[in-house]
Amino acid sequence: QSALTQPASVSGSPGQSITMSCIGSSSDIGGYKFVSWYQHHPGRAPKLMIYDVTKRPSGVSNRFSGSKSGNTASLTISGLQAEDEADYYCSSYTTTSSLVFGGGTKLTVL
Amino acid sequence: QVQLVQSGAEVKKPGASVKVSCKASGYTFKNYAMHWVRQAPGQRLEWLGWINADNGNTKYSQHVQGRVIITTNTSASTAYMELSSLRSEDTAVYYCSRAHLTTVTMGHWGQGTLVTVSS
Repeated sequence: QSALTQPASVSGSPGQSITMSCIGSSSDIGGYKFVSWYQHHPGRAPKLMIYDVTKRPSGVSNRFSGSKSGNTASLTISGLQAEDEADYYCSSYTTTSSLVFGGGTKLTVL
Repeated sequence: QVQLVQSGAEVKKPGASVKVSCKASGYTFKNYAMHWVRQAPGQRLEWLGWINADNGNTKYSQHVQGRVIITTNTSASTAYMELSSLRSEDTAVYYCSRAHLTTVTMGHWGQGTLVTVSS
């Protein structure tokens, strides 16, 4: 199973909104409503931010939102804050009953 | 609250095996699947596999299939990930993660265990 495709980096200024993409195929993102997004600060455990494409776990800020169109999922962060600076990984369920991660996107808050 | 506490760092020689444990607390262990994920230095997260903590059914990534075994001890609320025939590329931080409301989502994570493979 090939990794999902994410841009290596995105950046934005505090208060701005950014959107990062996650491109898969009909065998993963396009075929299921099981896309998740994880925030990962180096040296710490990843944190679930979005699951089932659009749902937010309790405790996650509503500045984070997810969507999907065809084989592409997206994560939008509005009102950027310095603490949002981290690596973000998308994940999807696949036709082989396994999970696959994207390559990760490094978010820089300028 | 949900807590996952993993065993400590390991240093292994190529060809050896390593077994990492993940002790869970704060919930009914059998009610949630447990995933294992790793991150090699400078690399992306990589999903290794999961286990249904109720019936012991497993699913592994094709990348490590044949070298990885995930098990549980339900009486001890502990999950294990054993990786054999270690090679330098297996050097990574290994995480256990409890499923969220949907089995395919990783909701709670252990602190990570560094496994170093070096001769």
